Amino acid sequence: NAGVTQTPKFRILKIGQSMTLQCTQDMNHNYMYWYRQDPGMGLKLIYYSVGAGITDKGEVPNGYNVSRSTTEDFPLRLELAAPSQTSVYFCASWTGPEGEGYTFGSGTRLTVV
Amino acid sequence: AQSVTQLDSQVPVFEEAPVELRCNYSSSVSVYLFWYVQYPNQGLQLLLKYLSGSTLVKGINGFEAEFNKSQTSFHLRKPSVHISDTAEYFCAVSDIVGLGGGADGLTFGKGTHLIIQP
Repeated sequence: NAGVTQTPKFRILKIGQSMTLQCTQDMNHNYMYWYRQDPGMGLKLIYYSVGAGITDKGEVPNGYNVSRSTTEDFPLRLELAAPSQTSVYFCASWTGPEGEGYTFGSGTRLTVV
Repeated sequence: AQSVTQLDSQVPVFEEAPVELRCNYSSSVSVYLFWYVQYPNQGLQLLLKYLSGSTLVKGINGFEAEFNKSQTSFHLRKPSVHISDTAEYFCAVSDIVGLGGGADGLTFGKGTHLIIQP
């Protein structure tokens, strides 16, 4: 079991470029999440998904899009990168209360210049 | 909606001394409570969680936390810290009543930076 896998680990984007942050889990979890972490702050929820084909906005969705075509994959899309999107992005899945609760990926550090 | 307040942004402690990191939350419904640790340039690692039952929860690395419903607090403690405990600590809550009994996603505090002094 690899858990929650995020790629890439690091990326530098120019303003206006687009990219997709990849997130894959091999635990057959229905619930998945994207968070961003800004310096000196806790994580904030961007989008979440309760299963394939179903997504919804979190606290800070502006500038992002998501899709969930399979249970395993939950990519996060940035269409027109802005400096305000410089952050560390974490993907997570819900294991249920019997397990850890939430399992996090190792993060993607994104810099927009 | 929930909110989480970590009262101290930074806590300096001498090695082998006890430490308490404070966390208060606000919610109109029942919640699950979590503490995570984040070492520099790494992801989040679960220290412990409270779901129900005993209000004293023991976690990894010698940490424990006590849930106090009347004070809506979930303070983290360790009786004797080590240099290796230097890290950022996050308190978080999730709403039990929503989507899937805790699966609504987490609301995080801003974090407490624990600094261990030799």
